[in-house]
Amino acid sequence: NAGVTQTPKFQVLKTGQSMTLQCAQDMNHEYMSWYRQDPGMGLRLIHYSVGAGITDQGEVPNGYNVSRSTTEDFPLRLLSAAPSQTSVYFCASRKQGEGTEAFFGQGTRLTVV
Amino acid sequence: EDQVTQSPEALRLQEGESSSLNCSYTVSGLRGLFWYRQDPGKGPEFLFTLYSAGEEKEKERLKATLTKKESFLHITAPKPEDSATYLCAVESGGSYIPTFGRGTSLIVHP
Repeated sequence: NAGVTQTPKFQVLKTGQSMTLQCAQDMNHEYMSWYRQDPGMGLRLIHYSVGAGITDQGEVPNGYNVSRSTTEDFPLRLLSAAPSQTSVYFCASRKQGEGTEAFFGQGTRLTVV
Repeated sequence: EDQVTQSPEALRLQEGESSSLNCSYTVSGLRGLFWYRQDPGKGPEFLFTLYSAGEEKEKERLKATLTKKESFLHITAPKPEDSATYLCAVESGGSYIPTFGRGTSLIVHP
């Protein structure tokens, strides 16, 4: 049982480049979300999805796009990378319902130079 | 808007020295308060969900409690392997995704 799988684990981008961070889960969870984690800032929600075809913005959505064409996959797209997007990115999934635990991927460490 | 404040930001303990971490929250209609543990370079791992004031949950040396305004994570006789960042999060009636606090970094010295 793989859980939540994120790829790549590390990435260096040049300013202005675009890329997609991949996230896949094999637990048939309805809810999926993307967070970024910066020193002293905790986990901040970027975008989330409550089911295939449904996405919404979180606290810090600017510069990022998402789509959810299947239950399993929830990719995060950086449209034009900026140094301010240097961070560690986590994908999470959880089953629909009150108080259900979230399962997190191992994270992607992104550096934009 | 849901708000979660954790204190202290960092805590250093000697092995065996019990202490508590605090999570104060402001939400409209609490549906669940979560505690997670995060080791360096890894994603957070679930510890507990608390649903209502007065509820308590335990796991090994950890005990989580909940009031209407805050939650405590009590660590009894900690060991070096308890060193990690502990994250608190809340889920309210107006959101699908929990809001996280900034975490408490715990270091336990042997």
